[in-house]
Amino acid sequence: EPEVTQTPSHQVTQMGQEVILRCVPISNHLYFYWYRQILGQKVEFLVSFYNNEISEKSEIFDDQFSVERPDGSNFTLKIRSTKLEDSAMYFCATAGDPSDYEQYFGPGTRLTVT
Amino acid sequence: GQNIDQPTEMTATEGAIVQINCTYQTSGFNGLFWYQQHAGEAPTFLSYNVLDGLEEKGRFSSFLSRSKGYSYLLLKELQMKDSASYLCAVREGNFNKFYFGSGTKLNVKP
Repeated sequence: EPEVTQTPSHQVTQMGQEVILRCVPISNHLYFYWYRQILGQKVEFLVSFYNNEISEKSEIFDDQFSVERPDGSNFTLKIRSTKLEDSAMYFCATAGDPSDYEQYFGPGTRLTVT
Repeated sequence: GQNIDQPTEMTATEGAIVQINCTYQTSGFNGLFWYQQHAGEAPTFLSYNVLDGLEEKGRFSSFLSRSKGYSYLLLKELQMKDSASYLCAVREGNFNKFYFGSGTKLNVKP
């Protein structure tokens, strides 16, 4: 069964550093999403992406964050100048079509900022 | 803004039936989703409602009343593996924005 993959599974970085989280979507999917989940808290929508541009973004997704699809397969989330409060699990999700009701979540990247 | 409420925690017995409620207030409602999330894992899709009524899928059913801003997830014939958090999520607008509740932690005991 096709699945979404994410790398790395765990990233430790120092405050102020930049990190890039990577996601490989299911091959025929065109709609991509990033979510984060701080430990013990709810899943929070960050951004949705289609046709090489952002469709929607939340209040959390400020200038510190950016997304791109650099090579037609990977979908990346870049976090600049990381802060302690960026420590969370970051999930990528993909869908074939937004009218499809099912988003497929990747296993997540645990980001720890020290 | 969005306001999605669900109970924090519930306990039920193996073999029983449990109903997890979710209430929401949102603009541009375009569907309600239920996900299961085991500790340390990603959410997995369970069910979806966009019209009022009951959707059944095996041991899981989900109900929606748009006028009341209310949904529930019904789990039948509970198994120990059903112990997990159950997340209610609302899709808003043109399909691309989702808001999650804080989740209901279900404990299934023998």
